[in-house]
Amino acid sequence: DAKTTQPPSMDCAEGRAANLPCNHSTISGNEYVYWYRQIHSQGPQYIIHGLKNNETNEMASLIITEDRKSSTLILPHATLRDTAVYYCSLKTSYDKVIFGPGTSLSVIP
Amino acid sequence: NAGVTQTPKFQVLKTGQSMTLQCAQDMNHNSMYWYRQDPGMGLRLIYYSASEGTTDKGEVPNGYNVSRLNKREFSLRLESAAPSQTSVYFCACAARDNSPLHFGNGTRLTVT
Repeated sequence: DAKTTQPPSMDCAEGRAANLPCNHSTISGNEYVYWYRQIHSQGPQYIIHGLKNNETNEMASLIITEDRKSSTLILPHATLRDTAVYYCSLKTSYDKVIFGPGTSLSVIP
Repeated sequence: NAGVTQTPKFQVLKTGQSMTLQCAQDMNHNSMYWYRQDPGMGLRLIYYSASEGTTDKGEVPNGYNVSRLNKREFSLRLESAAPSQTSVYFCACAARDNSPLHFGNGTRLTVT
């Protein structure tokens, strides 16, 4: 199974863009990249996903490199409420979903 | 709509006891999942079910069994609980293809 790696923690100033990286160098051609976030010990919440094109929604943008070996989640204007753990995950064609170790993002006033 | 409902929310077991964690979804999704999350750690896949009638092992299946009772329900059973199974257990569901996961609020299990 393809795996993902993420930095364990990051800081971001409030109002600035938060760029969270994920490495998935062994990704297969039909595996989607998903991002979720978890606040405290609640169930993770979906943010955005993509296959090979860059994606944007009301919450964030997802940039996937051309070789698909890494991606970056961008929160354009981070607020204190964006302090959370962010997980990068892969979904296979068999619906198996594996999560990375997560990045703890702290948004600093 | 409740989404994904997990019961119980909290449970304390003694070593060697058995129990079943219940998960039910009202989203009419085909796939269902069980994850465990240890303190300060990420989510590890225990078992998943891509459709009614099928189950597959995830990353950490040892010590667990699952049953996909019908499309709505996916249960996780610990036959003989061990302290190493102290964790928060999350159930999730997803529609087919590239749809994202929807999570329940978790069951916090302590094995003493």
